Amino acid sequence: DTVLTQSPALAVSPGERVTISCRASESVSTGMHWYQQKPGQQPKLLIYGASNLESGVPARFSGSGSGTDFTLTIDPVEADDTATYFCQQSWNDPTFGGGTKLELK
Amino acid sequence: QVQLKETGPDLVQLTQTLSITCTVSGFSLTTYNVHWVRQPPGKGLEWMGAMWNGGGTDYNSAFKSRLSISRDTSKSQVFLKMNSLQTDDTAKYFCARQGINYGSYPFDYWGQGVMVTVSS
Repeated sequence: DTVLTQSPALAVSPGERVTISCRASESVSTGMHWYQQKPGQQPKLLIYGASNLESGVPARFSGSGSGTDFTLTIDPVEADDTATYFCQQSWNDPTFGGGTKLELK
Repeated sequence: QVQLKETGPDLVQLTQTLSITCTVSGFSLTTYNVHWVRQPPGKGLEWMGAMWNGGGTDYNSAFKSRLSISRDTSKSQVFLKMNSLQTDDTAKYFCARQGINYGSYPFDYWGQGVMVTVSS
């Protein structure tokens, strides 16, 4: 299985720029996607194909990377961005990262 | 309007079988793949398996032979059945549609999930 590793938590102030990383145990090309999940809700697709913004998602969100290293950037962070962010690869059988919980100071 | 809705029991007894139905609308099961993903309380997401648009299936090896996925296209329903449940199967179970117009294959729509507790 392709293992995806994320840092568990981050805390930032509103208005700042935050980067959330995801490292794959093997190359997944650009088959990486990012989701936002708020408590009690289902995940919501933000970024697909490593760098493409899903329709309706604010342009404050962006993604980059290929191969094994990927980044989700939120700039500027808003209070409503408090959530857990998951990466997911679709290059092989789907796997998810453990999630990064974003808290606002 | 694309929608997915999971229905199933809140509580299942230890060693018993879990059955969940995902009813979809706004798209055809013969065009889109539908996957099952679960999430234990306070933990991450785990892919369980897929129902392909052509009728085939694929499973996470972690579930070995415990898991079965099927569908009824006339009712726009996908079924998950998992036997020999243990307490660590307590989780919220989601069905999700896999997008096809992205150049890659993200899960673009998700159901709200059904929380299942395995009780001894």
